[in-house]
Amino acid sequence: KNEVEQSPQNLTAQEGEFITINCSYSVGISALHWLQQHPGGGIVSLFMLSSGKKKHGRLIATINIQEKHSSLHITASHPRDSAVYICAASTNAGGTSYGKLTFGQGTILTVHP
Amino acid sequence: GAGVSQSPSNKVTEKGKDVELRCDPISGHTALYWYRQRLGQGLEFLIYFQGNSAPDKSGLPSDRFSAERTGESVSTLTIQRTQQEDSAVYLCASTLMGQGFETQYFGPGTRLLVL
Repeated sequence: KNEVEQSPQNLTAQEGEFITINCSYSVGISALHWLQQHPGGGIVSLFMLSSGKKKHGRLIATINIQEKHSSLHITASHPRDSAVYICAASTNAGGTSYGKLTFGQGTILTVHP
Repeated sequence: GAGVSQSPSNKVTEKGKDVELRCDPISGHTALYWYRQRLGQGLEFLIYFQGNSAPDKSGLPSDRFSAERTGESVSTLTIQRTQQEDSAVYLCASTLMGQGFETQYFGPGTRLLVL
């Protein structure tokens, strides 16, 4: 079992739909990251959170520390949101937290017009 | 520079040759990470540098892989005697303190193809 698991692996939506991508982790974390990777492009950090909820534009990220679960929501999805969304955990190592990331496998999102 | 830069952007080499990949982190960032993404697979951690501390090399897949960092600046990842399974995109990221509470800034990656 991977330490960071995402679901679904693939997601297809119509423009305007509300999208949710889920991430569960089994490691002790200092923070949970959501990253976006466009085809042929680099990786952009969307959110980094250790509790509660963060919002940026149409994107919302939540985390439940007790349940070791995080979600990324996209409201009013648009074709330009099509990308791979990656959940990653900054892990605690020997009681000292640092930023080594353990990655989920990614969710391939395709939004059709 | 404004962001993390990596060079070369693409590298094609023959099996058995050595390659050296370079990463220039954001100025002032003390922590630097190397990751690898093989085709169709997720990202893998390779190595982590934080200031003057000993690097965390726990992700290096074999002794053919090594990395160095000069102070808090440039890092080079060297792969000796390359194999076809080394073909991947090698990504570098940097962050201010490497304590796990900061956003990591990724470079564009070096796409390595071993023939």
